[in-house]
Amino acid sequence: QVQLQESGPGLVKPSETLSLTCTVSGGSISSYYWSWIRQPPGKGLEWIGYIYYSGSTNYNPSLKSRVTISVDTSKNQFSLKLSSVTAADTAVYYCARDRGYYYGSGIMDVWGKGTTVTVSS
Amino acid sequence: EIVMTQSPATLSVSPGERATLSCRASQSVSSNLAWYQQKPGQAPRLLIYGASTRATGIPARFSGSGSGTEFTLTISSLQSEDFAVYYCQQYNNWPGLTFGGGTKVEIK
Repeated sequence: QVQLQESGPGLVKPSETLSLTCTVSGGSISSYYWSWIRQPPGKGLEWIGYIYYSGSTNYNPSLKSRVTISVDTSKNQFSLKLSSVTAADTAVYYCARDRGYYYGSGIMDVWGKGTTVTVSS
Repeated sequence: EIVMTQSPATLSVSPGERATLSCRASQSVSSNLAWYQQKPGQAPRLLIYGASTRATGIPARFSGSGSGTEFTLTISSLQSEDFAVYYCQQYNNWPGLTFGGGTKVEIK
């Protein structure tokens, strides 16, 4: 079945750009919407944004000015960039698949295990 | 933005007992509501969508109800593996998604 794996630096300095990649295995990235969600330590979940395999995106308004999500269908990967990070961006970052096929449902049925990113000098 | 509020924050229940978790939306989300379970150190797992449809492989002891602004997740007879944090999430505003703050179900 489809599996997702996040990868990227675990430590980012304040004001720099956080960059993560999600690799999709066991299935194709095509025909689905893919999202990034984060969870600060001891807190709840926050949706960051979506990308369709075609490249169309939608972001959380609270993060929109700092977020870029992109897709590389040839590598079956999609990526997250978050600029000008602060300590408030310290979190576990998850990638997830929307269960809709060729449409976005808003329901995330496959999740990666998550990767911890700490923002600190 | 639609704000999702869950109550209680913590629920203490004995194994075998029934657990009832609540989720309220700041405006109607119709039946566009999902529930996720998260255990320590793990990613969330989809339990319920469409307010009441169990996801693949989810045991029948999990049930969801409600529509509009008031929703409930019921675990009919708590098993040891059910002690976790549960989140509701609205997708009526798709592609804007929002989660509740979570309810921790702990052993009494």
